[in-house]
Amino acid sequence: ETGVTQTPRHLVMGMTNKKSLKCEQHLGHNAMYWYKQSAKKPLELMFVYSLEERVENNSVPSRFSPECPNSSHLFLHLHTLQPEDSALYLCASSQYRVTGELFFGEGSRLTVL
Amino acid sequence: QQPVQSPQAVILREGEDAVINCSSSKALYSVHWYRQKHGEAPVFLMILLKGGEQKGHEKISASFNEKKQQSSLYLTASQLSYSGTYFCGTAPLYNQGGKLIFGQGTELSVKP
Repeated sequence: ETGVTQTPRHLVMGMTNKKSLKCEQHLGHNAMYWYKQSAKKPLELMFVYSLEERVENNSVPSRFSPECPNSSHLFLHLHTLQPEDSALYLCASSQYRVTGELFFGEGSRLTVL
Repeated sequence: QQPVQSPQAVILREGEDAVINCSSSKALYSVHWYRQKHGEAPVFLMILLKGGEQKGHEKISASFNEKKQQSSLYLTASQLSYSGTYFCGTAPLYNQGGKLIFGQGTELSVKP
């Protein structure tokens, strides 16, 4: 496995379900990110995790809950979502504190019914 | 503040040139360019740091005008493989890591 891998690639859930998105990076990076990509909207940073700093975007609803157990794994726990949360959720990694490139996974396409 | 990209969409014939602009109302430290093909992950193209440095590889290059807080991406002699959505991501401060603010994207279609 190389790069950044995300599972599942597609997820359909009801508003009362609880599900999780998983991201794994094999690049030795020390920072991981969740970005949300909605149709006709720009990529929106949701959360950043690094060994040095955890940053939460205060505008993200509490129904999204991130978890980063180590520098290689990142989860996004989902519960009681709304239809407007349907989007492509992209995970990325990089070397934090370095102005460098982000390596993105292919994303998890979420549909909330 | 989200940077503004223009144009929103462009259609080219193979071999034609294109310019995509990214403008910010805030002072920037760096501008990052990515390309995303349909159903795929965004892929890094290049970073421009303040100082007006121009960068490029192959037939894709970019510039950063610090005074105007504007970056331009130049695609010359376009190829079919250039099709996709191009995003600029901006960082107002040094060491922002991946905390970029992205523009809305420019959809580029290259036809045979």
